Order: sequence, then C-alpha cells, then structure tokens
Amino acid sequence: EDQVTQSPEALRLQEGESSSLNCSYTVSGLRGLFWYRQDPGKGPEFLFTLYSAGEEKEKERLKATLTKKESFLHITAPKPEDSATYLCAVQATGNQFYFGTGTSLTVIP
Amino acid sequence: DARVTQTPRHKVTEMGQEVTMRCQPILGHNTVFWYRQTMMQGLELLAYFRNRAPLDDSGMPKDRFSAEMPDATLATLKIQPSEPRDSAVYFCASGLVRGPGPYNSPLHFGNGTRLTVT
Repeated sequence: EDQVTQSPEALRLQEGESSSLNCSYTVSGLRGLFWYRQDPGKGPEFLFTLYSAGEEKEKERLKATLTKKESFLHITAPKPEDSATYLCAVQATGNQFYFGTGTSLTVIP
Repeated sequence: DARVTQTPRHKVTEMGQEVTMRCQPILGHNTVFWYRQTMMQGLELLAYFRNRAPLDDSGMPKDRFSAEMPDATLATLKIQPSEPRDSAVYFCASGLVRGPGPYNSPLHFGNGTRLTVT
C-alpha cells in the first residue's frame, strides 16, 4: 500500500538550532517527491520537487534531500519566521498525490 | 504572484443544507485538484480534473459530493446534503501539465474554504 509518514509530528527549536525533518515513503514507482510549507489558515505553499535518489535542492535555510526510501528537509540556523507545518507529498505512477500529515515546526526566539 | 482563489473562505451551515465551494485556478493552468484537510486524516484527494474533464473522483463520496468545471476559470465542489462529518478545510489546487502522461508538476494551492456543518 502506498504510504507517506512524516516525523516528528512536532518539533520545537531554539533560533539558530539546526535540525532535520523526515519523510519516509513506500510507493510503487516514484514520479516525484514534493515539500510544502503550510502556515495557519493558509494553503500549502510549494517549496521543492525531488525526482531521483541523490538529488538535493536548496532554498535559503532549507535543503531537501532524497533517497530511495525517504527524504529529509534540513533547516539550518532557523528563524522564528520558519515556524510552520511542513508537508511532504509523493506521486507514484498515476495521478494520486499521497500527503503525509506534516511536521509542525516552532522556532523560539 | 498568481494564486488560486477560493470562495467562500468560511462557511457555517446546518446539516442537510447544500454547500457550494468555488475555485478559480491560476490562469493558464490545465489541471485542478480538490482536497479535504482534517487533523486526523491530513490532506485527502477528492477529485482531479485535466482540461476540465474529470479524471479521478474516487476519493469523493458519490452520493452527496459532486465536482464540476463549467469553464477553464471555475471549478466547483458541491455537497448536498451536508453532514457534520463533512466539516473540514477544502482546498483547491491547480497546475500545468504538458503532454498526455500522468501529472508530476507541483501543485499550487488556494487558501481553502473552512466548512462547519452543525
């Protein structure tokens, strides 16, 4: 069964304290893995797409990596404005996107 | 930046009433997805349109939900009759796919319609 699991469910960091969020997946035929950021009361906002194992993408303090079984979203020296829920989604062969339930990140000043 | 527009942002209604949610996809996008988000289930796909044609609505309860695209600038999701278990945030997302293959480009989401059925 196609499945996406994100961990941890919630993460509290001090400002400047780097960490990583995990997205593990089991899908038949990965077509792409997507990271989104969601702020309260808003829709998910696209961050990255990764297509193959070994691929990496960076944007400001965020860096996403992909292996054959999981993806990591590394946050370097986070700031309070990085506080949000981070969602991972995978697409297998077909049209269905499978979303994880997200990691709620809080960065404390 | 261009964004997907959803209306209304909030809807409170009584059980049994009809609810219609609207979505204006980003101009030029040819795919539209409807998702429902709850704390327990996260994001669940309800329906998927490409070039206004429904391609996948397997996630949608057929007896009470219906989704349409009357034209390229409007997608609608209707619930009739509504039930308290339908309370959730409903998101519309759009994207652009080129070619006949499966969709694999990022989705662009609206800010959702928060539905409360009492």
